[in-house]
Amino acid sequence: GAVVSQHPSWVICKSGTSVKIECRSLDFQATTMFWYRQFPKQSLMLMATSNEGSKATYEQGVEKDKFLINHASLTLSTLTVTSAHPEDSSFYICSAGGVVGAPTYEQYFGPGTRLTVT
Amino acid sequence: GENVEQHPSTLSVQEGDSAVIKCTYSDSASNYFPWYKQELGKRPQLIIDIRSNVGEKKDQRIAVTLNKTAKHFSLHITETQPEDSAVYFCAASIGLGNFVFGPGTRLSVLP
Repeated sequence: GAVVSQHPSWVICKSGTSVKIECRSLDFQATTMFWYRQFPKQSLMLMATSNEGSKATYEQGVEKDKFLINHASLTLSTLTVTSAHPEDSSFYICSAGGVVGAPTYEQYFGPGTRLTVT
Repeated sequence: GENVEQHPSTLSVQEGDSAVIKCTYSDSASNYFPWYKQELGKRPQLIIDIRSNVGEKKDQRIAVTLNKTAKHFSLHITETQPEDSAVYFCAASIGLGNFVFGPGTRLSVLP
């Protein structure tokens, strides 16, 4: 149980285009989705926290107009990287928290999406 | 906000030896401390966790200790095996809050 999927797993896009990443909880519902970014050989850094039906809360230094987050249901959250640039190339990982029926502190990570902007 | 430090950044041990990774946190309100193992290009995998009302937890070769007063917690791996080689991250969180991760430790177990 507690499976989180992300799609796509790997995407290459041209500079200036937009990319949408989907994060789904497959067999459970979660009230909160966290989006992390991980650059090579670095740790996971929180980008934003989204609660179902509410606007996302962005961490300092993360542009909300560039990284659009939609959390329309208890099983789906999307991250859209708009006008992507090479410096946005990174590993993006979502995590589902606030799992209905589970301890509040647990989070379940998706497999990650590797974004390469050329 | 919370700040998590982790040491060492790299660790090499001989197969069969023990490995210890230490983390410190800054926010005394943090009450949940998971440890993750991450292999290259893959998602972090939870290997053990501890809540603030417990001082020690063990699962086979893996154990975690927590000192709330000093605000530090440690991961202990005994009888290390080559497949234990990976990057390990500690994290701290408050309730339903996000995880604040440490910078990671690259563990290499030499055969």
